[in-house]
Amino acid sequence: AQSVTQLGSHVSVSEGALVLLRCNYSSSVPPYLFWYVQYPNQGLQLLLKYTTGATLVKGINGFEAEFKKSETSFHLTKPSAHMSDAAEYFCAVQYGNKLVFGAGTILRVKS
Amino acid sequence: NAGVTQTPKFQVLKTGQSMTLQCAQDMNHEYMSWYRQDPGMGLRLIHYSVGAGITDQGEVPNGYNVSRSTTEDFPLRLLSAAPSQTSVYFCASSYVGQGYTEAFFGQGTRLTVV
Repeated sequence: AQSVTQLGSHVSVSEGALVLLRCNYSSSVPPYLFWYVQYPNQGLQLLLKYTTGATLVKGINGFEAEFKKSETSFHLTKPSAHMSDAAEYFCAVQYGNKLVFGAGTILRVKS
Repeated sequence: NAGVTQTPKFQVLKTGQSMTLQCAQDMNHEYMSWYRQDPGMGLRLIHYSVGAGITDQGEVPNGYNVSRSTTEDFPLRLLSAAPSQTSVYFCASSYVGQGYTEAFFGQGTRLTVV
């Protein structure tokens, strides 16, 4: 079955520290991959996407993600966390014409 | 620039009641979809549509109906509400690029069934 796994339902980092949110997917073909962010009581907003080409993808708010086919991974990183990054983050993979989402990771940023 | 508009934002229903969640988009996207969000489960696809007059089931379609008479609107109907349908519902409208789809989400409808 097609699946997306996000390791860690909660991640806590200090302000200024590296953010690393992990995402692995099951797929036998090169996928389309997405990261979305959800702030409290809001809808989801696209952070970045991988479709083709360069495997390191840059998104909004200083986030980036690297597609590693051999590891079937698409981890999200940011060099220095800000308080405003506190939110829930979802990895999603397109299978056919459908998006399959991971369970989400809540990022907490400590001052 | 409204994007995707969902109404209502909040709703409380009694078990057995029916209701319709409204979704409208002004981006002229052919692809629209409904998801429910439950804690620890991410977003799960309920129904989707690839164009006016065409709908299909997603991962969790039971208890829900949809129709798509226009490109702009994609309402979700709960036939007989159950407590298990307590959730946050998101409508999405998608741009179809070079093989990929990029989804734009509404603000959500928080539904409680008592």
